[in-house]
Amino acid sequence: NAGVTQTPKFRILKIGQSMTLQCAQDMNHNYMYWYRQDPGMGLKLIYYSVGAGITDKGEVPNGYNVSRSTTEDFPLRLELAAPSQTSVYFCASRRGQGDNEQFFGPGTRLTVL
Amino acid sequence: KQEVTQIPAALSVPEGENLVLNCSFTDSAIYNLQWFRQDPGKGLTSLLLIQSSQREQTSGRLNASLDKSSGRSTLYIAASQPGDSATYLCAVSSGYALNFGKGTSLLVTP
Repeated sequence: NAGVTQTPKFRILKIGQSMTLQCAQDMNHNYMYWYRQDPGMGLKLIYYSVGAGITDKGEVPNGYNVSRSTTEDFPLRLELAAPSQTSVYFCASRRGQGDNEQFFGPGTRLTVL
Repeated sequence: KQEVTQIPAALSVPEGENLVLNCSFTDSAIYNLQWFRQDPGKGLTSLLLIQSSQREQTSGRLNASLDKSSGRSTLYIAASQPGDSATYLCAVSSGYALNFGKGTSLLVTP
């Protein structure tokens, strides 16, 4: 199993540009998540999904959109990028809610100039 | 809202020392607690997962304890090595996602 994969690893955007961060998992997990991590801070939840076709907002959803058309994929869309979105983005998955382990991808480092 | 606090924020120890990292959380209604390791510029590696019904978990030189009633967990690292240098994150699951602390940055000097 590849686990949780993310692309790209690095990206530089100009203010106002848009992009999609890709995330895929091959563990047949129902739950998927997007977090962002700013320097010296813990991870904050952006969006999550409990299954294909179902998504919901987390703590910091403004400026982002998600979709979940398949169990495997959970892309994160940034519209009209702003400097405040400069961060490291992590995708994660787990089997379901409750007492099971959450697995993380390697992250995407995004800079908005 | 679940708040997770980690103390200390940074720690520097000489190689060979035993050390304890602390994590506290405000809401004791949790499913589990995970300890992660993060190397600079890298992703998160899961170290230990403690279920809410458990008191501790061990993996090699690592031991994590959980006192749910008092809202505390500790990560004990025995005989520290320079390769243990990293940031250690505590995360609590009390619903659909994890709530993270800000981490403890550990430096183990030779």
